[in-house]
Amino acid sequence: GQQLNQSPQSMFIQEGEDVSMNCTSSSIFNTWLWYKQDPGEGPVLLIALYKAGELTSNGRLTAQFGITRKDSFLNISASIPSDVGIYFCAGQLRTSGSRLTFGEGTQLTVNP
Amino acid sequence: DSGVTQTPKHLITATGQRVTLRCSPRSGDLSVYWYQQSLDQGLQFLIQYYNGEERAKGNILERFSAQQFPDLHSELNLSSLELGDSALYFCASRPDLGAGELFFGEGSRLTVL
Repeated sequence: GQQLNQSPQSMFIQEGEDVSMNCTSSSIFNTWLWYKQDPGEGPVLLIALYKAGELTSNGRLTAQFGITRKDSFLNISASIPSDVGIYFCAGQLRTSGSRLTFGEGTQLTVNP
Repeated sequence: DSGVTQTPKHLITATGQRVTLRCSPRSGDLSVYWYQQSLDQGLQFLIQYYNGEERAKGNILERFSAQQFPDLHSELNLSSLELGDSALYFCASRPDLGAGELFFGEGSRLTVL
């Protein structure tokens, strides 16, 4: 099936540092979404991107829809302990309707 | 609270058994999706329903089946369970078939012993 390559797999950072993670694919996506999953919970949407080149912010989070439509990145600025969790990129292919294809996730640990 | 309700939250059963997971989508949402998340893995798409009809299938095993009822709730049936079926099973919903956010439930954690 379609694959999203998400990196890094894990990150260990100090509180206050900035974080960057990305997803790439060989396929073209119509929509890119970034979710966060806390332990024992379902994924919760952070940012949704609908147009190539789009740059969107949500508080300390910024995400971009790559111009080739094959990649996206998420930045977190000035990390805090509650940023801990697993971050997933997800995309919607033109040929796959509304279902989401997920990356493998980035496990973020923030040391106070 | 996403508005998507899944039951049970936890389930422990033995190999060879059959279980049913239930999902109530957000009020008014016609599309329901099932995903499987194994340990330390991403979410793998299983199957999608829209207004009672199967819409798309992913890597769903033949031992697994699902349906969406007239009241729009959905059930995922897992039979002849194997150890490798132990995972979190998520249901998600959205209003239609368009692009954009899927709203996820809190998942059902299945442990097969």
